[in-house]
Amino acid sequence: RKEVEQDPGPFNVPEGATVAFNCTYSNSASQSFFWYRQDCRKEPKLLMSVYSSGNEDGRFTAQLNRASQYISLLIRDSKLSDSATYLCVVRYTGGFKTIFGAGTRLFVKA
Amino acid sequence: NAGVTQTPKFQVLKTGQSMTLQCAQDMNHNSMYWYRQDPGMGLRLIYYSASEGTTDKGEVPNGYNVSRLNKREFSLRLESAAPSQTSVYFCASSEETFGGSGSYNEQFFGPGTRLTVL
Repeated sequence: RKEVEQDPGPFNVPEGATVAFNCTYSNSASQSFFWYRQDCRKEPKLLMSVYSSGNEDGRFTAQLNRASQYISLLIRDSKLSDSATYLCVVRYTGGFKTIFGAGTRLFVKA
Repeated sequence: NAGVTQTPKFQVLKTGQSMTLQCAQDMNHNSMYWYRQDPGMGLRLIYYSASEGTTDKGEVPNGYNVSRLNKREFSLRLESAAPSQTSVYFCASSEETFGGSGSYNEQFFGPGTRLTVL
């Protein structure tokens, strides 16, 4: 079983839709959580950190459920420019070990 | 600021050849990383350097060596390339900050090197 698992998708949604991605992690020592965005043939870039109480950045909302060991990303009012691969990232306590999920592909259509 | 730069952008090697991938950052970050990305696998950490003068193995270090030349530069060397090392290689850097509940660092990535080993 992979340490960080994501639904690979693809998710095909119309503009304006709301879409949610989930990510599960297996190691309870995981401490820090992030969502990165990666455009086709480009490098990953930080979308947002995920805080224990949940956090929002414009149209994006991230949630963390430590008891069930999953994090989620909600995108409201999808834009064409949101089309990308979204990577779930988990960082372990006390070290530099960073585990990336394989990513969820999103296509937003006009 | 250029951020994180990598050279070369593309490379084709024959099995058994050696090469060094170069990475430099101009953000004065202490920590630097090398990842490889393969289809369906996500990014996997090869080596990292927490600070100048230190390097440590990541998840998939076999077949690679690294050098933290100075604070800015972190190179990855393939001594004897194998087809299994065909991948996209990303270098990243970060400024580690540790708070009461852990670190919330952002890793900044270079544009990647696409390596094919025949």
